[in-house]
Amino acid sequence: EVQLVESGGNLVQPGGSLRLACAVSGFSVSRTYMSWVRQTPGKGLEWVSTIYSGGNTYYADSVKGRFTISRDNSKNTLFLQMNSLTVEDTALYYCAREPTYSSPWDYWGQGVLVTVSS
Amino acid sequence: DIQMTQSPSSLSAFVGDRVTITCRASETINTYLHWYQQKPGKAPKLLIYAASNLQSGVPSRFSGTGSETDFTLTISSLQPEDFATYYCQQSHAIPRTFGGGTKVEIK
Repeated sequence: EVQLVESGGNLVQPGGSLRLACAVSGFSVSRTYMSWVRQTPGKGLEWVSTIYSGGNTYYADSVKGRFTISRDNSKNTLFLQMNSLTVEDTALYYCAREPTYSSPWDYWGQGVLVTVSS
Repeated sequence: DIQMTQSPSSLSAFVGDRVTITCRASETINTYLHWYQQKPGKAPKLLIYAASNLQSGVPSRFSGTGSETDFTLTISSLQPEDFATYYCQQSHAIPRTFGGGTKVEIK
């Protein structure tokens, strides 16, 4: 059975850092494309970042230079390191699988809440 | 960035009604267009991929059409469990982008 379970969400002050994790079972994160997508009431669904099976990484302009996507193949876990957080980063963050290039996200985690506030 | 425009942003319908949601891309995306259903407190669920392909396990009352810039999602006979928010999303280019969503409510 495929499962994606996010963790690491929290309340953090502006300028702070947070590391999200997405523990995966049922497939190998190293053999597929994995993404982070976030959702806010105001801006809806927003793609954040993707890591390809080959290791290439891509970021939305809004997070480029501040966020880093990575994976630990031995733990079958995806990560999102978030630095220099702003109130605009407050959102529910989902990890999701993109099985092949340009395919949709077919499996999603349950989401983890990140709140940036003083 | 490719802008995805969904309409309407919300609609009210009766159980049994035929419902159509449209999605327009700001530039051609071939058929790299996907539809998701989201219920409150849940992650989006893939319904239709590549414009017209039904995801496994999704009821056949859902269908999708379109190519290039104009796409539609149709629910042939709305069921109580279909009341949700629907999103389109393009995977033709990075950044991946979503439509603003269509909330389907009970009339």
